[in-house]
Order: sequence, then structure tokens, then C-alpha cells
Amino acid sequence: GQQLNQSPQSMFIQEGEDVSMNCTSSSIFNTWLWYKQDPGEGPVLLIALYKAGELTSNGRLTAQFGITRKDSFLNISASIPSDVGIYFCAGPRGGTASKLTFGTGTRLQVTL
Amino acid sequence: ETGVTQSPTHLIKTRGQQVTLRCSSQSGHNTVSWYQQALGQGPQFIFQYYREEENGRGNFPPRFSGLQFPNYSSELNVNALELDDSALYLCASSAGTAGIEAFFGQGTRLTVV
Repeated sequence: GQQLNQSPQSMFIQEGEDVSMNCTSSSIFNTWLWYKQDPGEGPVLLIALYKAGELTSNGRLTAQFGITRKDSFLNISASIPSDVGIYFCAGPRGGTASKLTFGTGTRLQVTL
Repeated sequence: ETGVTQSPTHLIKTRGQQVTLRCSSQSGHNTVSWYQQALGQGPQFIFQYYREEENGRGNFPPRFSGLQFPNYSSELNVNALELDDSALYLCASSAGTAGIEAFFGQGTRLTVV
């Protein structure tokens, strides 16, 4: 089945630093999504990517859809304490956008 | 806040019991998907309901079942609970099955002892 692996698993950074994380798949995806999950909450959609090579920004967040369609990257610039949480990549199962396969997650912790 | 509400927020059950979790979808959304999120892992797709019918299922046994009502709210039922069923159960609603913009509820934390 489809598997999405994220790296790093966790990271500690200082406030103001830039962050990079990535997600790789064993199969091709036609859409990549990035979610953030805060403790005790459900995931919230941050960015959606629809085309190979696409680069999309949402404020301090920038995500890219890899050319091979088997990977995606998320960058956060000038991190702030509220960026703390778990970041998940996700892709549609069987091409159906409302049924998602999620990655293993990257836990981000920001120190002052 | 997404407008997707789940109840209860926390639940403790004994192995072998049955449990029903509830989800009210966001206004105007006719599709509800359920996910199981074990501690330290990403959500795993259980199944989806669209117009009161099951519309796709993940790798979960038949003791996981569901319902969708005419108002598009949904229930997840789990029979013969096992310890490994302990997890955060999330529902997500969307406007149709093709929509990317699925909104998640805050989840129900189920503990099986």
C-alpha cells in the first residue's frame, strides 16, 4: 500500500530559525497536502499542491511538489513559538482527494 | 474552529465492550471520513460515508462500522474492543468526495483497558 515517510521525525529549533522537512512516498501522488496538528486538536490544512514542480506559499510557509511526484518539502521561515506542533504530509488514497494517506509526522519544538 | 464537532471528547472502555462515537459535520458538507490515530503516528483512514452510504474503506476489520444520517452527521461503531483500539478517532467532513478541503474535528480519545 501507499506509505509516506517524513523526516526528520522531530526537531528542536530556536525562535527565528528556518525549518525544512520532507516527505517521500513509495508511489506517485497527484496531490500533496501539508497539515499541522496541535495537541488535543485535529489536523488543520496548511498548503495543498496540485502539480509536479509547483511551489506554493502560505505566509511564512512554503511547500514544493517534487518533480518525481514521489516527494514534497515544507519550509517554515523565521519560526515562532506557535509553530510548535506535528506536521503531516498527506496524499489522496486511490486518487480520491477526500480519503487521505498521512505521513509519519515531524514534531517541531521551538525554543525561545 | 472548523464547525466539525465530535462527542464524547474522552472515553474509557473495557476490552470486549462496544463503543459509539459521534460526529456532526460542517454545515453544507455531505461527506464524512473517519480516521484512527494511534499515539505517535499519523491518522489512518477507516472509512468514508457519502449520502448515507459507505464510500470506501481502509484496512480495518468489520467490527469497525458506521452510519451516516440524513443530516449528514455520522457515527463510528466499534465492537469487541481490543487494547490496540486505544487511539484518537478523528472525523473529517467535506463538500463532496472530490474536495480537498476536508475539515477535521478535535477527535475522541478512546482508551481501552
